[in-house]
Amino acid sequence: AQTVTQSQPEMSVQEAETVTLSCTYDTSESDYYLFWYKQPPSRQMILVIRQEAYKQQNATENRFSVNFQKAAKSFSLKISDSQLGDAAMYFCAYRRSMGIEGAQKLVFGQGTRLTINP
Amino acid sequence: GAVVSQHPSRVICKSGTSVKIECRSLDFQATTMFWYRQFPKKSLMLMATSNEGSKATYEQGVEKDKFLINHASLTLSTLTVTSAHPEDSSFYICSARDVLGGKLFFGSGTQLSVL
Repeated sequence: AQTVTQSQPEMSVQEAETVTLSCTYDTSESDYYLFWYKQPPSRQMILVIRQEAYKQQNATENRFSVNFQKAAKSFSLKISDSQLGDAAMYFCAYRRSMGIEGAQKLVFGQGTRLTINP
Repeated sequence: GAVVSQHPSRVICKSGTSVKIECRSLDFQATTMFWYRQFPKKSLMLMATSNEGSKATYEQGVEKDKFLINHASLTLSTLTVTSAHPEDSSFYICSARDVLGGKLFFGSGTQLSVL
């Protein structure tokens, strides 16, 4: 079974600085998707960024970028120019790309609580 | 953007009663919906995969008779917590996959408190 591990329960960063959240995963699949989700106090799950495993190029979305190391099974999230609105729980997630529809479930890591200091 | 409506957002019930939570895709069709449970300051744990027109697939350790799932149409899945007990108190979140685009969208969650 696939597993996702986030080893940092909490992180904090000064406003406007850069922070990196770590995520490792374990899978025997060769093709899959990786995601970072943000869960603010409202508890609405918000997709931050997505990476296809077959793509070597790291995904970027404005101030958010990932460092995808497939061989090391590592998928870290870098947030540049941190803003107060970035404060939230961040979850790393894995999904298979093949198989029946129902098998494409998301497997989440434990989460990292990010605090932004003004 | 695509919206998943989850209702109610908060419910308080007495022990022994049943509670139904609805998950509705408003502007897309979803053959598959997922139900998650989240304890305070914890991650989302998949409970079951809801398949339109067929039986739900439950994760190991999740009681089928306790958590009834019905996915009667391409836009609606319901989760019924039967004979609720205080230990069922939790935050329940649904997600739905757009059958055309493949993207996944989350509902806003339901906080269940069983007294």
